Amino acid sequence: NAGVMQNPRHLVRRRGQEARLRCSPMKGHSHVYWYRQLPEEGLKFMVYLQKENIIDESGMPKERFSAEFPKEGPSILRIQQVVRGDSAAYFCASSLGTGLRMNTEAFFGQGTRLTVV
Amino acid sequence: AQSVTQLDSHVSVSEGTPVLLRCNYSSSYSPSLFWYVQHPNKGLQLLLKYTSAATLVKGINGFEAEFKKSETSFHLTKPSAHMSDAAEYFCVVPRDNFNKFYFGSGTKLNVKP
Repeated sequence: NAGVMQNPRHLVRRRGQEARLRCSPMKGHSHVYWYRQLPEEGLKFMVYLQKENIIDESGMPKERFSAEFPKEGPSILRIQQVVRGDSAAYFCASSLGTGLRMNTEAFFGQGTRLTVV
Repeated sequence: AQSVTQLDSHVSVSEGTPVLLRCNYSSSYSPSLFWYVQHPNKGLQLLLKYTSAATLVKGINGFEAEFKKSETSFHLTKPSAHMSDAAEYFCVVPRDNFNKFYFGSGTKLNVKP
């Protein structure tokens, strides 16, 4: 069972371009989370998705950022018109379920390091 | 809302000496708590988790943590540091019924030969 797969591992974009980050959760996991890690900072929650639904996007910037998790295929984090401040490591995590009763944990991918030049 | 505070941003130890990475939590009830490790340019790996069972939790690579309600702490320890332990460690608490995880600011562990 492969872990959480993120691609690309490294992505360089010029200011104003679009960045698409992909995340394939672990097999059988239907819950996906995206986190951002700015240089010298901890991880900050961005968005939580289930298949075809955004459950919690309270950590997403209001503009230029969007996320989806379609019925088929990976979850996509999309950043339009990137700016230098978007340079960061973006981590995806997946879990089997949520809720204290599930006693679950999140498994993290290796991240996509976005550099905006 | 639940949160965690990691008291040290950097810890430096010599190889073979004990490791102590401190984490305090804030919660109105006994939360679940996790420790994750991040090696340079790698993803995050779960070290151990506390979910209201035994208060002393053993994890991978010889790490353990003790949940102390009276001190609202969940410090990570290891009796003898190894060079391969050099990494950044995050104390994590789930929020909103596990819908999201709140990460502490991280502690970078340096291990000197």
